[in-house]
Amino acid sequence: AQSVTQLDSHVSVSEGTPVLLRCNYSSSYSPSLFWYVQHPNKGLQLLLKYTSAATLVKGINGFEAEFKKSETSFHLTKPSAHMSDAAEYFCVVSDRSFGNEKLTFGTGTRLTIIP
Amino acid sequence: EAQVTQNPRYLITVTGKKLTVTCSQNMNHEYMSWYRQDPGLGLRQIYYSMNVEVTDKGDVPEGYKVSRKEKRNFPLILESPSPNQTSLYFCASSDRDRGYNEQFFGPGTRLTVL
Repeated sequence: AQSVTQLDSHVSVSEGTPVLLRCNYSSSYSPSLFWYVQHPNKGLQLLLKYTSAATLVKGINGFEAEFKKSETSFHLTKPSAHMSDAAEYFCVVSDRSFGNEKLTFGTGTRLTIIP
Repeated sequence: EAQVTQNPRYLITVTGKKLTVTCSQNMNHEYMSWYRQDPGLGLRQIYYSMNVEVTDKGDVPEGYKVSRKEKRNFPLILESPSPNQTSLYFCASSDRDRGYNEQFFGPGTRLTVL
């Protein structure tokens, strides 16, 4: 069975400072991992995707994530936070079984940006 | 513009009154799925469909029905809604080129059952 754990339910950072959102995963196989972002009253948007190629994955809006198999982690980072980054972020692991591309979502991390 | 649309966006109803939430995508995707989002639980899959006339249960299918008569549409039906189905619902779609796991989400439907 697969699962993801987002270690912080809420993160606050000042504008212009680095962002770190932490995610640990559990999967029986080589996983596909994702970060999705949900802005207030919006649907979810894919930020970035890891599928066993380069371990450092670059996404949209300056975000990146590093896959570390030894630590079973897939933390999301950004060097300098912007006010528009305020949103909820979901770490997701994918597993293909019985014909279903099943996405398992973490419980989310709400990112607040302090002006 | 490539998109997934849902209607209605907001709905308040009463226990037992049948309702349908529509979902439509214009990307010719084979795969479609419904999720519900509840505080502290993330998103959980209700039903999914790999193609027309092919549907199957996800993690939390109780109290829901779906149909897939056309490739673009995947309605979610609540035959007899109950208050524990009050939630935020998302429809998503994907295709084989993306391995089905890079999913496009609709804007969500906020349902309240009184």
